[in-house]
Amino acid sequence: GENVEQHPSTLSVQEGDSAVIKCTYSDSASNYFPWYKQELGKRPQLIIDIRSNVGEKKDQRIAVTLNKTAKHFSLHITETQPEDSAVYFCAASAGANNLFFGTGTRLTVIP
Amino acid sequence: GAVVSQHPSRVICKSGTSVKIECRSLDFQATTMFWYRQFPKKSLMLMATSNEGSKATYEQGVEKDKFLINHASLTLSTLTVTSAHPEDSSFYICSAVEGAMDTEAFFGQGTRLTVV
Repeated sequence: GENVEQHPSTLSVQEGDSAVIKCTYSDSASNYFPWYKQELGKRPQLIIDIRSNVGEKKDQRIAVTLNKTAKHFSLHITETQPEDSAVYFCAASAGANNLFFGTGTRLTVIP
Repeated sequence: GAVVSQHPSRVICKSGTSVKIECRSLDFQATTMFWYRQFPKKSLMLMATSNEGSKATYEQGVEKDKFLINHASLTLSTLTVTSAHPEDSSFYICSAVEGAMDTEAFFGQGTRLTVV
């Protein structure tokens, strides 16, 4: 089955700086890569996703890049704010909507 | 976005008893629902995939007789933890998708199960 690895496990940045989280996946058939934000005690919320026919996608301060050849994808958050503090999960799916999640990154934005 | 409601949010049960968790899609028909387990400060682990009217597909290592999944309608899936033991204590979350593959999955709010 799919194996998704995520780094780093924890990340602290100063407010206004950028944060980058990286993931790799093992199944070359994976073609859908969403990113979720999970605040403490709450459900995961989709923040951005990318499909395999696209190399990069941006939504305001959030961007995701995908390198299918290398089987890795990254989340970039610019101009970080304290409310960005949460746990972020990457995920990969090879169809049928089965999402396999990375191990999560706890992001702390220091005011 | 679409709403998925999961109930109960917290449950404490005695060892050896069974607990049922419900996952409902409130404003859409969920062709597929997923059940995840999340250990403290850990990632979401996919347990099983359920499609309405058919048997659930379990991930490797997940005991199907232990974690019974029923997807009786397009808006309801249930997870029953049978003969619960303290090691079953965890956070269980469901998600649901509507229609086509690789569309956004909407998550329930999760159920914190504590087995004493």
